[in-house]
Amino acid sequence: AQSVTQLGSHVSVSEGALVLLRCNYSSSVPPYLFWYVQYPNQGLQLLLKYTTGATLVKGINGFEAEFKKSETSFHLTKPSAHMSDAAEYFCAVSDRSTGNQFYFGTGTSLTVIP
Amino acid sequence: GAGVSQSPSNKVTEKGKDVELRCDPISGHTALYWYRQSLGQGLEFLIYFQGNSAPDKSGLPSDRFSAERTGGSVSTLTIQRTQQEDSAVYLCASRSDSLTDTQYFGPGTRLTVL
Repeated sequence: AQSVTQLGSHVSVSEGALVLLRCNYSSSVPPYLFWYVQYPNQGLQLLLKYTTGATLVKGINGFEAEFKKSETSFHLTKPSAHMSDAAEYFCAVSDRSTGNQFYFGTGTSLTVIP
Repeated sequence: GAGVSQSPSNKVTEKGKDVELRCDPISGHTALYWYRQSLGQGLEFLIYFQGNSAPDKSGLPSDRFSAERTGGSVSTLTIQRTQQEDSAVYLCASRSDSLTDTQYFGPGTRLTVL
């Protein structure tokens, strides 16, 4: 089975600073890759995904992520943090051959300091 | 169009009682997932339905948990003889036929077992 590792369960950044949330996956065959955001008392919302093509993908709210096969990583970044970015972020993967089951990381809670 | 809806949004029950949680997926979505999210934890996969195929029940934690999906649409997750450790947010998600598509999540049902 796939596994997804998110380094850092809690990340704090100052408003306007760079946001970097890390995600690594375990499979030798690159899976489909997703980042979700969860605001308090809400379900998960897709930020961005990588399936094929350009390895740098742009998502909503100014976030982007880069797929690096050699590093089995899909780190999420945003150049300048905003207070509204404070939320829980989840990295997820699904297998390319079946795509049925999604495997989620344990999440990273982002705090933005004014 | 309408997103994934779940009901109730909150459920408080006494230990030992049975509960039913409902999920209405996005119309036309053939895949439906149930997850459990405990406080401060990631998403724990419970069960997956795909069209008319037999569901993938590999994530159900015990035989007290069951789920059905009627007519390929609405799904009900049933927990029998609830225990305090069942307290969590139960999230439902649906997805189209496309393997590259994301899951769309409902807002969740917060279950509290007293």
